[in-house]
Amino acid sequence: QLQLQESGPGLVKPSETLSLTCTVSGGSISSRSYYWGWIRRPPGKGLQWIASVYDIGSTYYSPSLKSRVVIFADSSKNQFSLRLNSVTAADTGMYYCARRRVEDRTHFDSWGQGTLVTVSS
Amino acid sequence: AGLTQPPSVSKGLRQTATLTCTGNSNNVGTHGAAWLQQHQGHPPKLLSYSNNSRPSGISERFSASRSGNTASLTITGLQPEDEADYHCSTWDSSVSAHVFGSGTEVTVL
Repeated sequence: QLQLQESGPGLVKPSETLSLTCTVSGGSISSRSYYWGWIRRPPGKGLQWIASVYDIGSTYYSPSLKSRVVIFADSSKNQFSLRLNSVTAADTGMYYCARRRVEDRTHFDSWGQGTLVTVSS
Repeated sequence: AGLTQPPSVSKGLRQTATLTCTGNSNNVGTHGAAWLQQHQGHPPKLLSYSNNSRPSGISERFSASRSGNTASLTITGLQPEDEADYHCSTWDSSVSAHVFGSGTEVTVL
């Protein structure tokens, strides 16, 4: 059974870089059947897609976050990671990693439990 | 490029609730929408996708449809456990991005 688990610091200072990792078990991130992505939910707001990676090396970014985000994958560890630089309080929220099937762009079908990130000095 | 959902819907026990998700021809109108349920403190869970397909284990009380640029999720026979936030999601071709609705909080009275 597929499992995704987010990890990373829960507290980040303004202007610094947020780094999160998603460890995947029960499935391979090298599979060409899936995209792997990051989605966040700020307090009191809806979900927001951040970025996705496919076939290890192909990356896709939200237009609104593209200038501050990098997503990359490590097939040897079956992990993919997110880096978001120059964070502000607006980047506070729950961060989820998730999987999307190649054939359907409308949704992510498996999600991690999420990790809470707070941006504060 | 976001999708519009009503902030909240309240209905009585065993009643029917219909949630809407309004987009445009670049997103819902072309690609349809999926629906996710999120209980407080839990990750989103896929309820419906691809013209009312449901993942294994999802109750038939949840059904989805689309008319033009608006997608709908109907929950019949509302139960206390249906209290949650409901999100619609799809792809937007104009910005090449996944987009989500603002979410609807469902309360069962």
